[in-house]
Amino acid sequence: DTEVTQTPKHLVMGMTNKKSLKCEQHMGHRAMYWYKQKAKKPPELMFVYSYEKLSINESVPSRFSPECPNSSLLNLHLHALQPEDSALYLCASSQDALRLPYEQYFGPGTRLTVT
Amino acid sequence: KNQVEQSPQSLIILEGKNCTLQCNYTVSPFSNLRWYKQDTGRGPVSLTIMTFSENTKSNGRYTATLDADTKQSSLHITASQLSDSASYICVVSAGSGNTPLVFGKGTRLSVIA
Repeated sequence: DTEVTQTPKHLVMGMTNKKSLKCEQHMGHRAMYWYKQKAKKPPELMFVYSYEKLSINESVPSRFSPECPNSSLLNLHLHALQPEDSALYLCASSQDALRLPYEQYFGPGTRLTVT
Repeated sequence: KNQVEQSPQSLIILEGKNCTLQCNYTVSPFSNLRWYKQDTGRGPVSLTIMTFSENTKSNGRYTATLDADTKQSSLHITASQLSDSASYICVVSAGSGNTPLVFGKGTRLSVIA
């Protein structure tokens, strides 16, 4: 199984809502990532979890809160978002985050619209 | 400043034709270079990953080259198919392993019948 799954596929939320994005992989990978991608732009790294610990936070606003409950799951909790946060949110995983160039597998993404 | 520049920005070719996409980078220290294919609204899919010592790597009809001296890479697509229509993103790893990654803006390829 070389698949990273993300739910939901699409999400529309108001600026006062609280929602969560979910990501799951069963490849035994120990590194998981959240990216944000605006239209016609490359993905921008948000967070990296390595061995279930947050290792990189790319100065992401606190209205985005990541969580890694176990090595297979990665959540992104959303609260008080702004319309400019509307984007495709991509989850990725790799065998490791620090050593050798392991392949990074991306999920299909969650299309988020903030109204 | 670490940067990855891709050209052309977009490309339209006839089905069955070959094409080459370019990637120039100024990333230091260099660890590895990847090419991804991304369909609209979907996650990127890895095509190749090359380290400093690798010059060429193939994946089916996709062949990537790397010249670490000139800091250039190319992705050659042979006998294009309609399903090759996508964005192709060049990504360079600065440092060790996967992080941090520097993404190019991608080349949008359209294959038409």
